[in-house]
Amino acid sequence: DIQMTQSPSSLSASVGDRVTITCQASQDISNYLNWYQQKPGKAPKLLIYDASNLETGVPSRFSGSGSGTDFTFTISSLQPEDIATYYCQQYDNLRRTFGQGTKVEIK
Amino acid sequence: QVQLQESGPGLVKPSQTLSLTCTVSGGSISSGSYYWSWIRQPAGKGLEWIGRIYTSGSTNYNPSLKSRVTISVDTSKNQFSLKLSSVTAADTAVYYCARDGGYSSGWFDYWGQGTLVTVSS
Repeated sequence: DIQMTQSPSSLSASVGDRVTITCQASQDISNYLNWYQQKPGKAPKLLIYDASNLETGVPSRFSGSGSGTDFTFTISSLQPEDIATYYCQQYDNLRRTFGQGTKVEIK
Repeated sequence: QVQLQESGPGLVKPSQTLSLTCTVSGGSISSGSYYWSWIRQPAGKGLEWIGRIYTSGSTNYNPSLKSRVTISVDTSKNQFSLKLSSVTAADTAVYYCARDGGYSSGWFDYWGQGTLVTVSS
């Protein structure tokens, strides 16, 4: 099974900072990697699909990159409403696996 | 706009079977090439994919849960369901249903609000 290692598990940054989260797959997953935002008490929300494609309606300060085993999720300028936990998720033709999550807080 | 809504008992006794249903509205569950997934999240922890079903009845399950999970679909009711047998306290979680884009689009673009299931005697 493919394992996803996401880091850091939490981070604290100031409003306006650039925030970066990484996700590493245990084997090559091409670009089959998605990113979600989850706010407390809410269902996750799709932000990025296939590593770098911005879901419709998602602000452009969110972006993703990478392929193979190493992926990066970036918030270019952190906003107060971005406080949430972010998850990566890989897929293949049989299964889906999530990373452990990164909790983003305001410093 | 597709909407999903989970329903089912919020309390299940240990060793019994957890049963949940997800009702899809705003579109036919059979339209497009979508799969329909169940995902769970224990309190304060991460997301765990349980499994998925296509409207043909074809299923895929998380290997860690496969022996206890059954997912089924009722296209006439626009619903799909989850059964998890022999539950323990470790199965206490918020359970979400979600639309899965399928083979080449494996992301979850629509989610239910989630339903908390507690396993306790």
